[in-house]
Amino acid sequence: AQSVAQPEDQVNVAEGNPLTVKCTYSVSGNPYLFWYVQYPNRGLQFLLKYITGDNLVKGSYGFEAEFNKSQTSFHLKKPSALVSDSALYFCAVRDQAGTALIFGKGTTLSVSS
Amino acid sequence: EAGVVQSPRYKIIEKKQPVAFWCNPISGHNTLYWYRQNLGQGPELLIRYENEEAVDDSQLPKDRFSAERLKGVDSTLKIQPAELGDSAVYLCASSLPLGGPGDTQYFGPGTRLTVL
Repeated sequence: AQSVAQPEDQVNVAEGNPLTVKCTYSVSGNPYLFWYVQYPNRGLQFLLKYITGDNLVKGSYGFEAEFNKSQTSFHLKKPSALVSDSALYFCAVRDQAGTALIFGKGTTLSVSS
Repeated sequence: EAGVVQSPRYKIIEKKQPVAFWCNPISGHNTLYWYRQNLGQGPELLIRYENEEAVDDSQLPKDRFSAERLKGVDSTLKIQPAELGDSAVYLCASSLPLGGPGDTQYFGPGTRLTVL
């Protein structure tokens, strides 16, 4: 069965510092991996995805994620955090067969000024 | 281009009452999804449509939940009767056909349901 783990409920960083939000996954075969962000009272906004190819994926708002097959991880990163990045971040996975996305529980990112 | 539209944004009802949620997907997106997001959790799929056909409704509680997408565009999700445990955010998403290169799911703002 597919699953996603986001081991940190909350990540706190200072503005200007690099940030990492962790995600590990379990899926049969090659994974399709996604990151979404959710602001209060808003739906999920797509940030980036990994399907195949380069292990470093660049997405919206300066975010990037690194796919590591041996560690079954897909950590979200940003070189310099902004206060406006404060939100709830979800990692999601599905397999190539086209089944539904499986989401993690989410990680709250708090960026302080 | 307009995103996924949902209404209402908020709904408060008493238990045992019926409730309906409406979704208009992104133009051209044949695949439509309904998710439920409980507090502190990630979204969980309720049902997936390919055009008018419900192709994955295995997680839909069919004793009280129903959904339709009659013309392959708009969709309605209904709960009758609602229970206290149905309080959640109901999210609609759409995409190009699943499995293809453009199958990223785009989400609407959701409907926050409170059952009293």
